[in-house]
Amino acid sequence: GDSVTQMEGPVTLSEEAFLTINCTYTATGYPSLFWYVQYPGEGLQLLLKATKADDKGSNKGFEATYRKETTSFHLEKGSVQVSDSAVYFCALSGDQGAQKLVFGQGTRLTINP
Amino acid sequence: NAGVTQTPKFRILKIGQSMTLQCAQDMNHNYMYWYRQDPGMGLKLIYYSVGAGITDKGEVPNGYNVSRSTTEDFPLRLELAAPSQTSVYFCASRGTGNSYGYTFGSGTRLTVV
Repeated sequence: GDSVTQMEGPVTLSEEAFLTINCTYTATGYPSLFWYVQYPGEGLQLLLKATKADDKGSNKGFEATYRKETTSFHLEKGSVQVSDSAVYFCALSGDQGAQKLVFGQGTRLTINP
Repeated sequence: NAGVTQTPKFRILKIGQSMTLQCAQDMNHNYMYWYRQDPGMGLKLIYYSVGAGITDKGEVPNGYNVSRSTTEDFPLRLELAAPSQTSVYFCASRGTGNSYGYTFGSGTRLTVV
């Protein structure tokens, strides 16, 4: 079945550092790919998405490119802020049926001032 | 406000007790999902529904039941609570016309003691 593997955490960075969180996937067909963010005590919020190969999703300075050849969707940000501290989830949605979301295990990110 | 509403936000159950987690959405979405999130893990799908009167099992359905008598409501039932069901539960919905517009509720934190 479909699966998502993302970088083990936790990740701790200093403010203004460059961020990469790796995400790879296994899926049949043409899935859509997502990054969700979960702030402490809250639900999941969609951060960005990409629906086909070579698409780049972007939001709030975060970017991720759908790479079909490497089955990857790595999350990047050029200069992180303390307010980016959260748990980040990579996820995919199949292109058939109920299009259920399949999540990676999450990466906890802490940004120190 | 439009969205997905989950109640209660917190609950403590004793082993063997039963309860229903409520989920309601007011966006006329056909697709609804229940996920559980265990510490350090991603979200796992418990049950989902593609429309009123139609439900199906996800990855981890044992110990749970659902019903979908209306488009708006998708309650999750725990019949005999067990410590392994201690988790945070999230409900989500998605419209048919917008395949990527998942909306998550704020979650129910359940502890079974």
